[in-house]
Amino acid sequence: DAGVIQSPRHEVTEMGQEVTLRCKPISGHNSLFWYRQTMMRGLELLIYFNNNVPIDDSGMPEDRFSAKMPNASFSTLKIQPSEPRDSAVYFCASSATSGGADEQFFGPGTRLTVL
Amino acid sequence: DQQVKQNSPSLSVQEGRISILNCDYTNSMFDYFLWYKKYPAEGPTFLISISSIKDKNEDGRFTVFLNKSAKHLSLHIVPSQPGDSAVYFCAASDDYGQNFVFGPGTRLSVLP
Repeated sequence: DAGVIQSPRHEVTEMGQEVTLRCKPISGHNSLFWYRQTMMRGLELLIYFNNNVPIDDSGMPEDRFSAKMPNASFSTLKIQPSEPRDSAVYFCASSATSGGADEQFFGPGTRLTVL
Repeated sequence: DQQVKQNSPSLSVQEGRISILNCDYTNSMFDYFLWYKKYPAEGPTFLISISSIKDKNEDGRFTVFLNKSAKHLSLHIVPSQPGDSAVYFCAASDDYGQNFVFGPGTRLSVLP
């Protein structure tokens, strides 16, 4: 298996632009997670899905952030409009079971820079 | 309020010696605890876990100890190797996996 796939690996954009991050989880996994990593706040859970349904989006910073999972093999995290403080590494992870009690498999991350 | 704390942002250890990484939590509902390792420019990878019914779990050079009454767990790496240099995240979850939190991480440097 190729593991969790994220694209793009790097994104540089200007303030105010829309940014879309993409994730393909491991086939057969039921749960998908989006995280943001920054120096100040470490690894923050933004949202997670179970069987394509959003279960907990309490970590989404504000309305500029939205996430979708239209099917079991694809998810997007969108930021519109983007701001410089959104600059971070965004990770997608998937798990074979529901929630975070079991091993999560992380993608390589997308490094986002908002100028 | 941080539910999972790793109070040492960094730790340096000599190769061959023991590395001890600590983690404290506040939520008594947490029943599963996991350690992840992260190298630069890569996603975290699962290392070892422990459930609250145990107080120790061992996997090769890695051992996790859980003291539930103190709400404290630690990861021991013996012997430490330069390849162990990474950021280590402690994570905790309730029994249903619905409430889970990562700690801020500890950067381990193993010096040759």
